[in-house]
Amino acid sequence: DAKTTQPTSMDCAEGRAANLPCNHSTISGNEYVYWYRQIHSQGPQYIIHGLKNNETNEMASLIITEDRKSSTLILPHATLRDTAVYYCIVRVTDSWGKLQFGAGTQVVVTP
Amino acid sequence: NAGVTQTPKFRVLKTGQSMTLLCAQDMNHEYMYWYRQDPGMGLRLIHYSVGEGTTAKGEVPDGYNVSRLKKQNFLLGLESAAPSQTSVYFCASSDQPLGGTYTDTQYFGPGTRLTVL
Repeated sequence: DAKTTQPTSMDCAEGRAANLPCNHSTISGNEYVYWYRQIHSQGPQYIIHGLKNNETNEMASLIITEDRKSSTLILPHATLRDTAVYYCIVRVTDSWGKLQFGAGTQVVVTP
Repeated sequence: NAGVTQTPKFRVLKTGQSMTLLCAQDMNHEYMYWYRQDPGMGLRLIHYSVGEGTTAKGEVPDGYNVSRLKKQNFLLGLESAAPSQTSVYFCASSDQPLGGTYTDTQYFGPGTRLTVL
């Protein structure tokens, strides 16, 4: 199973873009990259996922490098409510959904 | 839609007591999961179900049992609680993978905080 490496923590100023890196150098060709976040004391929340193309939705953008060995989650205009632990997950290639959560990145958005 | 709901929200047990955590989803999802999260750590999969009447073990199944008698409900049981089972328990659900690709999205409940004394 491909594993991911993320920084332990990062700070971001409110209103600025937050760029969250993730390394997944052993990713396989049919494995997707998922991002979830967990606001304190709440259940994890899906943000975005992608295979090899860049993706964007109402919450964030996902940039995956051409060799797929790393990706970046971009929160375009961070707000205080974006303070959370962000998990980068590479999907295990079973026939059903199984997410392996690592320690994630603690993002703190400051005024 | 309520999404994924969990009951109870909090519970305190004494060692050796038993209890059942209930997870319900109203999205008609086939797959359901139980995770536990210990302080400062990521989630770990306890058991999962790929459909009504089916269950399977996850990463940390010891000390837990599950049942999926109805599609919308997934029960997690602790027969004899131990202090090591003090944790926050999250339930999640997802739909079937589409067209052979692995693109399901999991929806999580708010969690149950369990303390075993």
